[in-house]
Amino acid sequence: AQRVTQPEKLLSVFKGAPVELKCNYSYSGSPELFWYVQYSRQRLQLLLRHISRESIKGFTADLNKGETSFHLKKPFAQEEDSAMYYCPGSARQLTFGSGTQLTVLP
Amino acid sequence: DAGVIQSPRHEVTEMGQEVTLRCKPISGHNSLFWYRQTMMRGLELLIYFNNNVPIDDSGMPEDRFSAKMPNASFSTLKIQPSEPRDSAVYFCASRAGVGNNEQFFGPGTRLTVL
Repeated sequence: AQRVTQPEKLLSVFKGAPVELKCNYSYSGSPELFWYVQYSRQRLQLLLRHISRESIKGFTADLNKGETSFHLKKPFAQEEDSAMYYCPGSARQLTFGSGTQLTVLP
Repeated sequence: DAGVIQSPRHEVTEMGQEVTLRCKPISGHNSLFWYRQTMMRGLELLIYFNNNVPIDDSGMPEDRFSAKMPNASFSTLKIQPSEPRDSAVYFCASRAGVGNNEQFFGPGTRLTVL
């Protein structure tokens, strides 16, 4: 079955430290992968999609077909990055999961 | 465009009551999704529609839940009768079309069933 896994439910880092949120997938072929972010009590919003290969708010994510991963990275975390992050996979529709709650400590 | 609109934003009701959640997708979008978000299970897809037709309702937890999309600009999610375990945030999202998988989410409805 095609699926995406975020192995960490909770992740805490200190402000200024690098952060990496893990996402592993098991899709065959060329999956379409995204990162969505949900700030406290707000709606989910698209952060990145792998086909655009852009950097948003200092975050980047590279599709690694060898490792079947699409980890989200930022070299210097900020307190305002604290949020819930989802890496949904895409077949006919996005499949979300439990996400990773990132907390950036002062 | 105002984005996806959901109402009410908050709903508090008593067990056994009927609850109706409403969603207006982005104009021109032809797919609509209902999700439920809880701490335990994260974000779960309940049902989605393409061109007002329900395509996959396998995520609907039980017969107490039903969803309709009478036209391209309106959908409802109904819970009857409601139970305390239905307490969650319910999100609606819309998508422009097949081939473009980006979904746009509404602000959610926070449901509390006492």
